[in-house]
Amino acid sequence: AQTVTQSQPEMSVQEAETVTLSCTYDTSENNYYLFWYKQPPSRQMILVIRQEAYKQQNATENRFSVNFQKAAKSFSLKISDSQLGDTAMYFCAFSINFGNEKLTFGTGTRLTIIP
Amino acid sequence: DADVTQTPRNRITKTGKRIMLECSQTKGHDRMYWYRQDPGLGLQLIYYSFDVKDINKGEISDGYSVSRQAQAKFSLSLESAIPNQTALYFCATSSPRQGDTGELFFGEGSRLTVL
Repeated sequence: AQTVTQSQPEMSVQEAETVTLSCTYDTSENNYYLFWYKQPPSRQMILVIRQEAYKQQNATENRFSVNFQKAAKSFSLKISDSQLGDTAMYFCAFSINFGNEKLTFGTGTRLTIIP
Repeated sequence: DADVTQTPRNRITKTGKRIMLECSQTKGHDRMYWYRQDPGLGLQLIYYSFDVKDINKGEISDGYSVSRQAQAKFSLSLESAIPNQTALYFCATSSPRQGDTGELFFGEGSRLTVL
């Protein structure tokens, strides 16, 4: 069974600063998919970024980027130039299948951006 | 209008009552899911469906049942609600088709309180 661990229950950072959220996972699979989802106070889950394990290049989406270390089974999210709208719960998630029928989530990190 | 719509958004009920949470989607996706979110536990998969005739149990299906009435509709039932089923419930969809991203698209959640 796959497990996903987010060791930082809460974090806070000043607006415009950079913050990194940690995620580690455990699997015996060689190919899989990793995701970061954002849950703002409106509570809807929104995909932030995804990474396919067979791709060595780290994914980037505007101010969001990941540091994917396959050997270490680490998948951290970096938010640059943080904005007040980035305040949310962030969930790391793992799937061995494209189409996500068995997506495994971490317990989340509550990120607060301080004005 | 939202692509994935859940009703009701909030519901308070009493122990022993039958509750149905409904989900409808306009994304044309074949795959639909029900997740449960509890504080500190992330999201856990209750049931998932690959098409109208395919229903599968997730990690925590005990005490729940589902019905896939059509490609666009997937409902979750609690036959006899109990207090530890108090949680935030999410419906989600995905598509494994070539060209799609494989990500999950979530509804806005249904908060259920069982007294």
